[in-house]
Formats: sequence, C-alpha cells, structure tokens
Amino acid sequence: AQTVTQSQPEMSVQEAETVTLSCTYDTSESDYYLFWYKQPPSRQMILVIRQEAYKQQNATENRFSVNFQKAAKSFSLKISDSQLGDAAMYFCAYRTTSYDKVIFGPGTSLSVIP
Amino acid sequence: EPEVTQTPSHQVTQMGQEVILRCVPISNHLYFYWYRQILGQKVEFLVSFYNNEISEKSEIFDDQFSVERPDGSNFTLKIRSTKLEDSAMYFCASSEEGGAYNSPLHFGNGTRLTVT
Repeated sequence: AQTVTQSQPEMSVQEAETVTLSCTYDTSESDYYLFWYKQPPSRQMILVIRQEAYKQQNATENRFSVNFQKAAKSFSLKISDSQLGDAAMYFCAYRTTSYDKVIFGPGTSLSVIP
Repeated sequence: EPEVTQTPSHQVTQMGQEVILRCVPISNHLYFYWYRQILGQKVEFLVSFYNNEISEKSEIFDDQFSVERPDGSNFTLKIRSTKLEDSAMYFCASSEEGGAYNSPLHFGNGTRLTVT
C-alpha cells in the first residue's frame, strides 16, 4: 500500500527567507503523480504545485518549487521569499495511476515570522 | 474560475441521526471524491465515484456511508446513523480525469459536521 510521510509536523521561517518542507512516499509503482496542497486557517485546500513521476525536471510555480528524487522517493517543497500569506498547513499528496484516489501525508504546519 | 461548492458549511446533528452533505462539483469534471479531516489532522480518503459507481472506498467508508449523484449536478454523502466520532470536516473534491492522468483534485470549502 502506498504511504506518504511528512517528518516535520511544524516549521517556521522568517519573512522573505526560504524554507523547505520534506515529503517521502512509499510505492511500488513507476508512474504516479505528486502534489503539494496548502490549507490556510480558512481550511480550504488549495493546490500549490504538481509533479509527474515520469518527468525528471522539477516543477516550479512562481516562488514554489519542488525537488523530486524518484529513486529516493522524496518530494520536497521549497518556498522562496516567504510571505505572511504562506502561513498554512502543507500537505504532500500522492496520486496512484492504478486506483482512483489521492493519498495525503499528515501535513506540516508552517509559520511565517514577520 | 469554476469551483466546487459544498453545503451546508456547518451541520450540527444528534447522535443516531441521518445527515446528508451536499456538493456541486465543477461542471465538466467526471470524477468525484469525499475526504474527511478530523480537527485539522490528516486528510483521509473516504470514497471516489465515477460513472455513477463507486471506484474506490476506504475502510472508513462502511455501511453507514453512501454516496449518490441524484441529478446531473449534485453529489451527496449520506451518513445513516451518525456517531460522535463522525465529527469532522468533510471535503468534496472533483477532477477532470481519473488516476491515469495528471489531474489534481479541486476541493470545496468543506462542511464541518458536529455530532452531539
């Protein structure tokens, strides 16, 4: 069974600095998709970035980028130039191609210090 | 931008009562999901639904739960006899394609269910 692990329950970063959130996953599949979702205090789930496992190039969306290491089954999220609005819970998620479901990690709570 | 709509935003019910949570997915999406999140903790998969059938369900989704797409726009989650431990935030999500494609889930704002 696929599992997603986020080893950092809480992280903090100074405004304008860079922070990296870790995610590892366990799967026997070779093709899958990975996502980072953000959940601010409003509780809405917002897609931040996505990555296809068959693509070696790391995805980038403005200040957000990932470091995808397929062999290590690692998918970290880097937030550059952190802003106060980045404070949220961040969930790493795995989408299998074999079954129709997305599995979420336990989340990392990110605080941004002014 | 199209969005997933969930109603009500907050539902309070007594233990043992039936509750129906409603969702309107994005109109051109074909795959629908329910997730739940207890007190800001892990987001747990309940069920996926496509072509008027359940595609996948988790061990949480027992006989007390059911889903339905009663018309062309609504997607509902019914809990037949609520228990205290059903208190959670329930999220509906939809996606354009299923698991074979890089299609992210689009989430609604959630329904907070409180069972007393």
